[in-house]
Amino acid sequence: QVYLVESGGGVVQPGRSLRLSCAASGFVFSRFGVHWVRQAPGRGLEWVAVISYDGSDKYYADSVKGRFTISRDNSRNMLYLQMNSLRADDTALYYCANDLSGIPTIDSWGQGTLVTVSS
Amino acid sequence: QSALTQPASVSGSPGQSITISCTGTSSDVGAYNYVSWYQQHPGKAPKLMVYDVSNRPSGVSYRFSGSKSGNTASLTISGLQAEDEADYYCCSYTSSSSRVFGTGTKVTVL
Repeated sequence: QVYLVESGGGVVQPGRSLRLSCAASGFVFSRFGVHWVRQAPGRGLEWVAVISYDGSDKYYADSVKGRFTISRDNSRNMLYLQMNSLRADDTALYYCANDLSGIPTIDSWGQGTLVTVSS
Repeated sequence: QSALTQPASVSGSPGQSITISCTGTSSDVGAYNYVSWYQQHPGKAPKLMVYDVSNRPSGVSYRFSGSKSGNTASLTISGLQAEDEADYYCCSYTSSSSRVFGTGTKVTVL
């Protein structure tokens, strides 16, 4: 059973930074690519970023490129998202999710952590 | 990275079949067979229903099936049931190694 538990969300002022974490268990974390996906209140899903199984490849949505950084620590089974220069339109529920084995498809999801950017 | 286009809503009566379309471009849906579909009930995390255009994960009902033609993928739900009422999203791998989701479709069981 795959478990992904996000943390680190909260209320933050525009222009400030926040780091999200995702603790993984129930699978061999170091073998899978992992993603961040967000969902603004009442809106659809928006893909944010992905990191390869070994951390060597990272890709971002245009909306967060240059502001957000995805990273992972395979020794701790942890995924991170460093978010800088936050804006009001970054307000969303942030999910972490892992890829299916060997396929670039998002499989299992956590329950999300809420980030609210407001003054 | 424009979102894939889905109809805002689709409805059907119990037992009927409905189809949700997902239109992209030659850089995403049309380029790869890495199209997936997710079901999301209110307040819940999304659930993978179909991957690689037409494959179902273990435990997903045979009533859910996927297909693709050119730049448009489709999800068909046959034998519609009350529990199928939810939001559905398509997702595709892209030529820039990113992912892109669809705009989402609200399915209503009449």
